[in-house]
Amino acid sequence: QSVLTQPPSVSGAPGQRVTISCTGSSSNIGAGYDVHWYQQTPGTAPKLLIYGNINRPSGVPDRFSGSASGTSASLAITGLQAEDEADYYCQSYDSSLSGSVFGGGTKLTVL
Amino acid sequence: QVQLVESGGGLVKPGGSLRLSCAASGFTFGDYYMSWIRQAPGKGPEWVSYISSSGRTIYYADSVKGRFTVSRDNAKNSLFLQMNSLRAEDTAVYYCARDQRILDIWGQGTMVTVSS
Repeated sequence: QSVLTQPPSVSGAPGQRVTISCTGSSSNIGAGYDVHWYQQTPGTAPKLLIYGNINRPSGVPDRFSGSASGTSASLAITGLQAEDEADYYCQSYDSSLSGSVFGGGTKLTVL
Repeated sequence: QVQLVESGGGLVKPGGSLRLSCAASGFTFGDYYMSWIRQAPGKGPEWVSYISSSGRTIYYADSVKGRFTVSRDNAKNSLFLQMNSLRAEDTAVYYCARDQRILDIWGQGTMVTVSS
């Protein structure tokens, strides 16, 4: 049982827009701690995709965007491409655990 | 370039011990907090432990507290995880990551399998 809750799967056709939600609590996202998103393809380490709720590291396409409000955050991907098929994880800091917490992950399928 | 490389994983029997290492390069290792993160097969990542840049502040997940010990050698740009009393549920890929509450740099991971 992950501390942050994500839908297990989402899907969309090429060119479409999908969103992935991430729900936390008052000791993590709701406490104002930033949410970060990672993309992971099979056999590789997670790669930072969005940091500080809304920011993209250099090299990440602007098709990826993040938002956060209250105890939740969202990742949006527009103009879906086949290469976007991956697992996506949200992460924040939890004051009651004094460490990072993750969502269980969302598998994105590009139809 | 900025890089983290883990080593030391392998197959170990329940109750056994293993020491993981993480070699950092391309950045001033001693300026950064570091974490160990693990990912069991088919599961999401799980934070394991965190150590401050000086090594004076350390936290552990409840699941490993009392069994795992994190340490670092800033002179050698290295991070370590001593794992004792290993259990089947510790089976996972173990990653070291640069931790600024953003895990911005990850190693490639090292597999730890606990099985008789």
